[in-house]
Amino acid sequence: KAGVTQTPRYLIKTRGQQVTLSCSPISGHRSVSWYQQTPGQGLQFLFEYFSETQRNKGNFPGRFSGRQFSNSRSEMNVSTLELGDSALYLCASSPPQGQAYEQYFGPGTRLTVT
Amino acid sequence: AQKITQTQPGMFVQEKEAVTLDCTYDTSDPSYGLFWYKQPSSGEMIFLIYQGSYDQQNATEGRYSLNFQKARKSANLVISASQLGDSAMYFCAMRRINPNTGNQFYFGTGTSLTVIP
Repeated sequence: KAGVTQTPRYLIKTRGQQVTLSCSPISGHRSVSWYQQTPGQGLQFLFEYFSETQRNKGNFPGRFSGRQFSNSRSEMNVSTLELGDSALYLCASSPPQGQAYEQYFGPGTRLTVT
Repeated sequence: AQKITQTQPGMFVQEKEAVTLDCTYDTSDPSYGLFWYKQPSSGEMIFLIYQGSYDQQNATEGRYSLNFQKARKSANLVISASQLGDSAMYFCAMRRINPNTGNQFYFGTGTSLTVIP
């Protein structure tokens, strides 16, 4: 079974631009979560989508948004990029049921804002 | 508020020795899950082990075991017989188990483990 895939793997943007990142979960997984990882702030939860609905949201400004499609693939968008948005963005999917509800992470998209 | 604390920013261990990575958590939820993830330099987070708050026995997965002390709210990871490939960042995480709140994980700041040959 294929793992979580994220595209692109690397991205360089300039301040003020917007960016869209894509995540394809493991087949059969309906929950997709997004995280931002920086050296200073660590791993921070952005949002979670389940069955095309945002179920949880972290403490990020409205410039960060996301959506999920009927095939469970998810995208996140960051508008009006700032230098501080440079980070590794990780996507994770979870199986539909099970006690552990562990999250399986993708390789991440490394975004650099210049 | 949920909180995960990892007090060891960096650890060193001799190859083939055992090492314990500390994790404490804070939650008022009666039901929760505790996880450990490994993040090599490549960036991908790799799931290692899970412990449910109601599990009576400590979880084990191969060379990994979780020393769960519920009263002390600690969930330390023990890696036995360390290998060079174990050198990575290790993150402790907690998940609130509530069907209404969905999957929200809280991560610690991580511990960088270096295995010395």
